[in-house]
Amino acid sequence: DTEVTQTPKHLVMGMTNKKSLKCEQHMGHRAMYWYKQKAKKPPELMFVYSYEKLSINESVPSRFSPECPNSSLLNLHLHALQPEDSALYLCASSEQGPYGYTFGSGTRLTVV
Amino acid sequence: GESVGLHLPTLSVQEGDNSIINCAYSNSASDYFIWYKQESGKGPQFIIDIRSNMDKRQGQRVTVLLNKTVKHLSLQIAATQPGDSAVYFCAERGRNYGQNFVFGPGTRLSVLP
Repeated sequence: DTEVTQTPKHLVMGMTNKKSLKCEQHMGHRAMYWYKQKAKKPPELMFVYSYEKLSINESVPSRFSPECPNSSLLNLHLHALQPEDSALYLCASSEQGPYGYTFGSGTRLTVV
Repeated sequence: GESVGLHLPTLSVQEGDNSIINCAYSNSASDYFIWYKQESGKGPQFIIDIRSNMDKRQGQRVTVLLNKTVKHLSLQIAATQPGDSAVYFCAERGRNYGQNFVFGPGTRLSVLP
């Protein structure tokens, strides 16, 4: 299995809702990432997990809450989002060290 | 030709021609570089990588060139095909970025029939 699977593919949520994005990989990668991508822009790093521990939080607002339940799963919990948070949320994984990332297809999030 | 404006820079090439996509990176301490291809509705896909101790690396129909003196990276695609139409991002990795990748602004490649 050489894929990163993200669910759901699309999500529409109100500003008072709570939802979660899910990411799964079975490549044995010990580093996992959340990126945010706005239209016509490059992906921007949000969070890095290394060996299931949060190692980097790129000053992301607390309405985004990551969780890594085990080495194969990564969640992003969403609460009280703003319309400007609408974007494509990408999950990626990699081996530790200078290796490329494998990205999922992303969750297209719309906040209304 | 290439155009840069308010929107993503776009490179238009005829099918069968060679494409060259350029990227200026910002950090002289970056030690590892990757080109990613992103098709509409999909996540970025690894194309080719190069480490800072090399200046050229070849893959299938693709070549990456690294010029550390001027902090410039390029991706050459031979015999461009319609399936190559996508947005291409360069990404650099280094100590200044916590050993994580930072992506360049991207270039849209449009292959004309």
